[in-house]
Amino acid sequence: QSVLTQPPSVSGAPGQRVTISCTGSSSNMGAPYDVHWYQQLPGTAPKLLIFGNNNRPSGVPDRFSGSKSGTSASLAITGLQAEDEADYYCQSYDRSLSGSVFGGGTKVTVL
Amino acid sequence: QAQLVESGGGVVQPGTSLRLSCAASGFTFRNWGMHWVRQAPGKGLEWVAVIWFDGNNKFYIDSVKGRFTISRDNSKNTVHLQMNSLRAEDTAIYYCARGIAANGYYFDYWGQGTLVTVSS
Repeated sequence: QSVLTQPPSVSGAPGQRVTISCTGSSSNMGAPYDVHWYQQLPGTAPKLLIFGNNNRPSGVPDRFSGSKSGTSASLAITGLQAEDEADYYCQSYDRSLSGSVFGGGTKVTVL
Repeated sequence: QAQLVESGGGVVQPGTSLRLSCAASGFTFRNWGMHWVRQAPGKGLEWVAVIWFDGNNKFYIDSVKGRFTISRDNSKNTVHLQMNSLRAEDTAIYYCARGIAANGYYFDYWGQGTLVTVSS
């Protein structure tokens, strides 16, 4: 059972918008620590997608956006493309655990 | 461009030890906290341990406390994870990651991972 809760899967047709939720608690996102998002393509290492709730590293398309409010966060992908098919993880810091925590991951399927 | 390369994984029996290494290049290693994150087969990511830039502070996930030790050698740009008393549930790909401290921290560079299999 992960400290941060994500839906196991979401899907959408090419060009559509999908969102992935991430729910935490008062000891992590509500503390308020930032939430970050990672994309993991099949067979590869995770890649930083969003940091500090809503910031994109250089090279990440603006189709990806993040938001956070209280103990919840979300990742939105607009204009869904076949190459976006991957697992997505949210991550934050938990002061009760004195360490980082991840969500269980969400598999995005492009129909 | 920062690069992290892990090594040291393998197949070991329960109760034995293994030492993972992560070689860093392309950035000033001594300025950055370093982490280990693992991923069991078919499962999600799990943070394991962090060592601060100067090696003076270390933190671990509860399930590895007392068994795993993170260390670093800033003269050789390497970080290690000494894993003792290994259990089947430690089977995973172990990633080394560079951490950025900012209202908590996040991981901007990751290695390719090294597979640890604990099985009799």
